[in-house]
Amino acid sequence: GDSVTQMEGPVTLSEEAFLTINCTYTATGYPSLFWYVQYPGEGLQLLLKATKADDKGSNKGFEATYRKETTSFHLEKGSVQVSDSAVYFCALTFTGGGNKLTFGTGTQLKVEL
Amino acid sequence: EAGVAQSPRYKIIEKRQSVAFWCNPISGHATLYWYQQILGQGPKLLIQFQNNGVVDDSQLPKDRFSAERLKGVDSTLKIQPAKLEDSAVYLCASSLTGTGYQETQYFGPGTRLLVL
Repeated sequence: GDSVTQMEGPVTLSEEAFLTINCTYTATGYPSLFWYVQYPGEGLQLLLKATKADDKGSNKGFEATYRKETTSFHLEKGSVQVSDSAVYFCALTFTGGGNKLTFGTGTQLKVEL
Repeated sequence: EAGVAQSPRYKIIEKRQSVAFWCNPISGHATLYWYQQILGQGPKLLIQFQNNGVVDDSQLPKDRFSAERLKGVDSTLKIQPAKLEDSAVYLCASSLTGTGYQETQYFGPGTRLLVL
């Protein structure tokens, strides 16, 4: 079945460092890909999404590109802030899946001063 | 615009007891989802409603879990009897139509359940 694999955390970075969180997927057909973020004590929020190959999603300085050839959707940010500390989830939906989100296990990011 | 509301935020019960969670989706959203998030794992869909009807409940443990969405708005998820392995965060989400696989889902803050 369809699945998402994320790099394990926690990832600890200093403020202004470059961030990459790896995400790869297995899916039949052409899924849509999402990054959700969960700040401490809050619900999941959509960070960005991409719906077809080579699409780039971006929001709040974060970017991810839908790479069909490598089945990847890595999350990047050029300069992280303490306020970016959260858990990041990669997820997909697929045609015929009724809009069901399939999530990875999440990657915790800690940004320190 | 108000977001997805859930209550209670926290619940502690003993095994074999029953518990119920409530969700109020964003106004006008036709589709409502319940996810279970066990510590250290990503959320897993339990049940999806489109208006009053069930679209997908393939991963709902139907011997102990039940859910309803009366009048196509609010929803209640019940567990009876609870087991230790039901300890998790229960997330409710909604989306506008639920018919497109590119559609954004909006999540509530979740209900954290601890079964002792």
